[in-house]
Amino acid sequence: DIQMTQSPSTLSASVGDRVTITCRASQSINSWLAWYQQKPGKAPKLLIYQASSLESGVPSRFSGSGSGTEFTLTISSLQPEDFAIYYCQQYNGYSPDFGPGTKVDIK
Amino acid sequence: EVQLVESGGGLVKPGGSLRLSCAASGFTFSTHSMNWVRQAPGKGLEWVSSISSSSSYIYYADSVKGRFTISRDNAKNSLYLQMNSLRAEDTAVYYCARDPTTVVTTYWYFDLWGRGTLVTVSS
Repeated sequence: DIQMTQSPSTLSASVGDRVTITCRASQSINSWLAWYQQKPGKAPKLLIYQASSLESGVPSRFSGSGSGTEFTLTISSLQPEDFAIYYCQQYNGYSPDFGPGTKVDIK
Repeated sequence: EVQLVESGGGLVKPGGSLRLSCAASGFTFSTHSMNWVRQAPGKGLEWVSSISSSSSYIYYADSVKGRFTISRDNAKNSLYLQMNSLRAEDTAVYYCARDPTTVVTTYWYFDLWGRGTLVTVSS
């Protein structure tokens, strides 16, 4: 299995802040990385795939970058509806693995 | 409307069995690989199983291999998960999730999710 880590585990921020979340893989996954947003009691929602491709309908304030073992999700200007948990997921092979999640809460 | 709706969750004793269903609508179900992903209470996401569009390729997480069986019925636009020998650690919300499959490629990420169904394994 490929181990996924995320940092920080919790991030306190204010509306309008620029927010960056980091995801690391235990071995190279090229650009086979997705990002999801999950709000309490709801299913995860796909934000980014292939490390930097924005899913249709997702606001452009979300962006992804990275390749190999280190990746980032950036929210350029945090909005009230963005307070949630964010998960990365590698899909380099037949056993996808999720990161432990980063909770973005209100400062 | 494009959606996935899970059903079949509930309370079951350790060692028991349960069958989950996922009804798909609003898209061509038969062309997509499908998956089950679970989330234990207060915990993160764990991929459980995947099935290709024609059921030719099936994969399981090590944690459920030999106990769970994934299947699908393309005529009924439905995905299933038969869960046997259930353990307390199988307690979770189980999500049905779609792969954005094309004619030539299964991608292994998930672009459409259902709302989930809760499975509780307890005596």
